[in-house]
Amino acid sequence: NAGVTQTPKFRVLKTGQSMTLLCAQDMNHEYMYWYRQDPGMGLRLIHYSVGEGTTAKGEVPDGYNVSRLKKQNFLLGLESAAPSQTSVYFCASRFGGQVAGELFFGEGSRLTVL
Amino acid sequence: DAKTTQPTSMDCAEGRAANLPCNHSTISGNEYVYWYRQIHSQGPQYIIHGLKNNETNEMASLIITEDRKSSTLILPHATLRDTAVYYCIVRPGREYGNKLVFGAGTILRVKS
Repeated sequence: NAGVTQTPKFRVLKTGQSMTLLCAQDMNHEYMYWYRQDPGMGLRLIHYSVGEGTTAKGEVPDGYNVSRLKKQNFLLGLESAAPSQTSVYFCASRFGGQVAGELFFGEGSRLTVL
Repeated sequence: DAKTTQPTSMDCAEGRAANLPCNHSTISGNEYVYWYRQIHSQGPQYIIHGLKNNETNEMASLIITEDRKSSTLILPHATLRDTAVYYCIVRPGREYGNKLVFGAGTILRVKS
């Protein structure tokens, strides 16, 4: 039982390049989330999903796209990376059926855009 | 979601209880109080949550005031490994989509 796994853990991009971050969870969770964290700040929600085939915008969705084609995977895409997207990205998941349940987080993906 | 206010930082002596306050004066009746912590840029870790009653688990205790406008997270015997950023979050229990919004949190430094 690996929990929430993010790949890659580190990546350096040049401005304008594209990339995809993969989040995989093996806990059969309905809800999945992508957050970003900038130095010295809290987490900000980018996009989230309440089930396979569904996605929704969070606080800071601009410049990102997501897809949830399979229940266990949540992909975060950057079509044209910008230096402002340099950040640490965290994926999280949780059961959808609970009234109030905990989020399980991955270890983070550190992205640098030059 | 109700906003929360936490002190920017706190210090605690190793072995003593750490009491982390959180103000959530605009909390609604169906909103839960959650606590997470983040140790040195790792992914945040769930600690505890509650609605009205005080809660305790193997990690911590959560004390919620009777009017629910504030709460305190208590780490009974803080260790150096408890040095982390602690986030207090308030959100409805049955919100479709269930967004969890993190603020800046409290930096807790446990010192020997």
